[in-house]
Amino acid sequence: EAGVAQSPRYKIIEKRQSVAFWCNPISGHATLYWYQQILGQGPKLLIQFQNNGVVDDSQLPKDRFSAERLKGVDSTLKIQPAKLEDSAVYLCASSSQLAGGRQETQYFGPGTRLLVL
Amino acid sequence: AQSVTQPDIHITVSEGASLELRCNYSYGATPYLFWYVQSPGQGLQLLLKYFSGDTLVQGIKGFEAEFKRSQSSFNLRKPSVHWSDAAEYFCAALGDYKLSFGAGTTVTVRA
Repeated sequence: EAGVAQSPRYKIIEKRQSVAFWCNPISGHATLYWYQQILGQGPKLLIQFQNNGVVDDSQLPKDRFSAERLKGVDSTLKIQPAKLEDSAVYLCASSSQLAGGRQETQYFGPGTRLLVL
Repeated sequence: AQSVTQPDIHITVSEGASLELRCNYSYGATPYLFWYVQSPGQGLQLLLKYFSGDTLVQGIKGFEAEFKRSQSSFNLRKPSVHWSDAAEYFCAALGDYKLSFGAGTTVTVRA
């Protein structure tokens, strides 16, 4: 079974530029998550999708971050414009159970490491 | 507020020695609990999980964890570490439909 795929693996941009990350979850997984992991910290949830609908985006800085999952499969996360403090690893995860359902295990992709100069 | 705490930022252990990583949670009800490992430049790999039942959980790579309700803890153990176990370890709890992570413990293995 293929795991969660993410691209690119690394990205370097200058502040005020825009950047987009892509995620393809495990086949059949209805729930998709984007996390931000700042160096030295644990991952923090940015947004959660159930199929193509948003379940939770309370921690997403909506003035600069956006995400979509139009067909309920793969997803993109965009930052526009980027700030220095956005430098982090952006992790995508997916799970097969419904959001908040029992025995929900999240499987993570390799992440995209973003450096904003 | 719900939280997960990993008291040890960094642990150094000799190869072949035992390892124990601490994790405490603060939730109103017992959450689902997980341990993930992250090798340099890699994503998070699930080591083991606890939902209910037997409080001693076996995972991959020879790891186990014990859930102790009275101490609100879910500590991770391995009897004999290998150099390949050098990584960052995250404890996580699923409650209120959200997965919350501790800050992580970095494990260094010395020869």
